[in-house]
Amino acid sequence: QVQLMESGGGLVQPGRSLRLSCAASGFLFNRYGMHWVRQAPGKGLEWVAMISNDASDLYADSVRGRFTIARDNSQHTLYLQMNSLRPEDTAVYYCARDLSRTSGVSYGMDAWGQGTTVTVS
Amino acid sequence: TTLTQSPPFMSATPGDKVDISCKASHDIDDDVNWYQQKPGEPPITIIQESTTRAPGIPPRFSGSGYGTDFTLTINNMESEDAAYYFCLQHDSFPLTFGQGTKLEIK
Repeated sequence: QVQLMESGGGLVQPGRSLRLSCAASGFLFNRYGMHWVRQAPGKGLEWVAMISNDASDLYADSVRGRFTIARDNSQHTLYLQMNSLRPEDTAVYYCARDLSRTSGVSYGMDAWGQGTTVTVS
Repeated sequence: TTLTQSPPFMSATPGDKVDISCKASHDIDDDVNWYQQKPGEPPITIIQESTTRAPGIPPRFSGSGYGTDFTLTINNMESEDAAYYFCLQHDSFPLTFGQGTKLEIK
């Protein structure tokens, strides 16, 4: 079955960097788009970024220029490089699969990881 | 695209029919998904493309709507359905979620 396992969260000071990872298994990772979605404490869901199967990427305005989404298909792993972190980036970060196989097109998230917590303070 | 979800909170009795609304700021065809989230857990996918139940989701969950108005319906609600529910539009980037509906059991 599809499994997504995030790691790399933690406590970091404002202005510093952090890299999140998401290990994928149970499906052909290189075929599909992938997302990062975050949830601040007590808040709703916020889309962060998407990478298509051809490695093209898209970002929310709140993170563009600071965050970079990337994928290593040989390692079945998704990444989120987060630079210049701010207190408002504090959240649980989820990776999620998108069944889209077309660059720039999304069908939304269908499978989700358990999340990793990032605290910027 | 802004999604306006309502109500933000509702309380229902087991066996009730529950409707949750999601209205889009412009026409988004059927590009709406619905997610359920329980405290401390990740979201799970309930409905895709407005009307398609995700694998393993009980048939008491259904979705409807096209264009700007969408509805998640839970027929014969069960106590395990108490959770937060979110709609998502994937018609255009940036993808956006509704503000969420907290569904409690009376």
